[in-house]
Amino acid sequence: GQSLEQPSEVTAVEGAIVQINCTYQTSGFYGLSWYQQHDGGAPTFLSYNGLDGLEETGRFSSFLSRSDSYGYLLLQELQMKDSASYFCAVRDHDGGFKTIFGAGTRLFVKA
Amino acid sequence: NAGVTQTPKFQVLKTGQSMTLQCAQDMNHNSMYWYRQDPGMGLRLIYYSASEGTTDKGEVPNGYNVSRLNKREFSLRLESAAPSQTSVYFCASRTGTELYEQYFGPGTRLTVT
Repeated sequence: GQSLEQPSEVTAVEGAIVQINCTYQTSGFYGLSWYQQHDGGAPTFLSYNGLDGLEETGRFSSFLSRSDSYGYLLLQELQMKDSASYFCAVRDHDGGFKTIFGAGTRLFVKA
Repeated sequence: NAGVTQTPKFQVLKTGQSMTLQCAQDMNHNSMYWYRQDPGMGLRLIYYSASEGTTDKGEVPNGYNVSRLNKREFSLRLESAAPSQTSVYFCASRTGTELYEQYFGPGTRLTVT
């Protein structure tokens, strides 16, 4: 089966850099995605890694190492509005139509 | 474009009652999904529809049924609600090409008493 592990909570100060890790076990692999969800809101897509290496989108970057079954989301120049839950997700091996989500990491940004 | 819309936004049911959650998308996406999210937890897939005319079970399908009415609409039915189905339900869709990005609706907050 598929499983993903990520820390339940991370706390950082405004302006700092924070890294949220995700390790996964899958029977097939179609890439790792990251989603952000604010309290009471819907998840929104942040980034995707299909191949090894770093993908950068503004203040957010995501990294993947397929040999280690590991990825991370890097948030730079943290702002208070970055306080949210962050989920890593993988697509199922069965045609890739199903997506399995991790339990999420709650990020608290302090002033 | 409205994106993905869901109705209702909130619902309270008594145990044993039935209801249908509605979802529609106007992005011409092929695939649609229903998830539930319990407090402090990730999203668990209930059912999905890879394309119009097909539906498949996800991780937690028991107690639910779905209908892909057409390409735009995907409904979720609770035939006999139970307190364990108290949750936030999200509908999502994605294209047939960029399979890694899903677009989510605002959610339906369901309480079963």
